[in-house]
Amino acid sequence: AQSVTQLDSHVSVSEGTPVLLRCNYSSSYSPSLFWYVQHPNKGLQLLLKYTSAATLVKGINGFEAEFKKSETSFHLTKPSAHMSDAAEYFCVVSDQSTGFQKLVFGTGTRLLVSP
Amino acid sequence: NAGVTQTPKFQVLKTGQSMTLQCAQDMNHNSMYWYRQDPGMGLRLIYYSASEGTTDKGEVPNGYNVSRLNKREFSLRLESAAPSQTSVYFCASSGTSPGTQYFGPGTRLLVL
Repeated sequence: AQSVTQLDSHVSVSEGTPVLLRCNYSSSYSPSLFWYVQHPNKGLQLLLKYTSAATLVKGINGFEAEFKKSETSFHLTKPSAHMSDAAEYFCVVSDQSTGFQKLVFGTGTRLLVSP
Repeated sequence: NAGVTQTPKFQVLKTGQSMTLQCAQDMNHNSMYWYRQDPGMGLRLIYYSASEGTTDKGEVPNGYNVSRLNKREFSLRLESAAPSQTSVYFCASSGTSPGTQYFGPGTRLLVL
């Protein structure tokens, strides 16, 4: 079965410093991986997705993620945090075991950004 | 273009009561989904509809039923609510790329 593990439940950074949110995946085949973001009291929004093209994926709002097969990782990074980045971030892997692509969500990482 | 809309935004039920959560999308998407979000557990798939006229169970379907009323609308019904169903419920839809899902704003449900 496909799964993802988000290694940190909370990450705190100062505005202007780099962001690193860690995610490891488990998949029996070449996975499709995603990062979704949820701002307080909102629905989820797709940040970026990896679907076996370039291993470095760029998303919205300056975020990017690198697919590393040897490490089974898909960490999310941003060079400089902004206050508006404070949100919960979900690493997601696709599950196609039933013939229809469904998403399997990690437990989330809450990003706190201080001035 | 409203995207995915959900009603109600918030609901309080007593144990044993029933209710239906409504979801609609205006993006002409084939697939629709219902998730629940609980603290520390991420989102878990309750039911999904790959296309109009079909529905399938997800990871946590017990205690729920769904109806794909037409291409736009996908409702979730709790026949006899239980406190364990206290959660935030999200509806989502997707088009030709199933991994790219568009989410509604959620319904907060409290079952007493």
